[in-house]
Amino acid sequence: EAGVTQSPTHLIKTRGQQATLRCSPISGHTSVYWYQQALGLGLQFLLWYDEGEERNRGNFPPRFSGRQFPNYSSELNVNALELEDSALYLCASSRGQSDTQYFGPGTRLTVL
Amino acid sequence: AQSVTQLDSQVPVFEEAPVELRCNYSSSVSVYLFWYVQYPNQGLQLLLKYLSGSTLVESINGFEAEFNKSQTSFHLRKPSVHISDTAEYFCAVSPSSNTGKLIFGQGTTLQVKP
Repeated sequence: EAGVTQSPTHLIKTRGQQATLRCSPISGHTSVYWYQQALGLGLQFLLWYDEGEERNRGNFPPRFSGRQFPNYSSELNVNALELEDSALYLCASSRGQSDTQYFGPGTRLTVL
Repeated sequence: AQSVTQLDSQVPVFEEAPVELRCNYSSSVSVYLFWYVQYPNQGLQLLLKYLSGSTLVESINGFEAEFNKSQTSFHLRKPSVHISDTAEYFCAVSPSSNTGKLIFGQGTTLQVKP
């Protein structure tokens, strides 16, 4: 069974630009979660999508947004990039709303 | 609000020695508990989880963790570590109510020396 996949592996942007990160969940999983792992800040919950709807979001500004497509894949968009957005962004998926989360390898975003 | 404290940021240990990585949590509601491992430049891998039932849970690679409700702890142990166990370990909690959110500790780096 293929795991959670994320693309791209690395992304380099400059301040003020927009970044789009993509995630494909494990087959059969309907929930997708996004986390930010920034140096010194640990792993922070960003967003949760289930059945195409945003179910919960963490304490992040509105310029962090996303969506979930009918095939359950997901996209995270970060607008007006700031230097502090540099981090590893991890996507996870689960079979149901309260099920165990399985993580992808992450996208490393660098903002210059 | 829930929180997770991993009491040691780094744990150096010699190969074949036992190790314990400590995790305490605070929560006013029932929680599910997890340990994840992150190898360098990789994502998180699920190591083991406690949802209900037996308070002692085991992984396939020799790690075990015990849920202690009275002490609100979920410490991770291995009786004999290998060089390949060198990684960062994260304890996480999820409230049993449906928020979708995992709350992570700050991580413990396990450094296994030959």
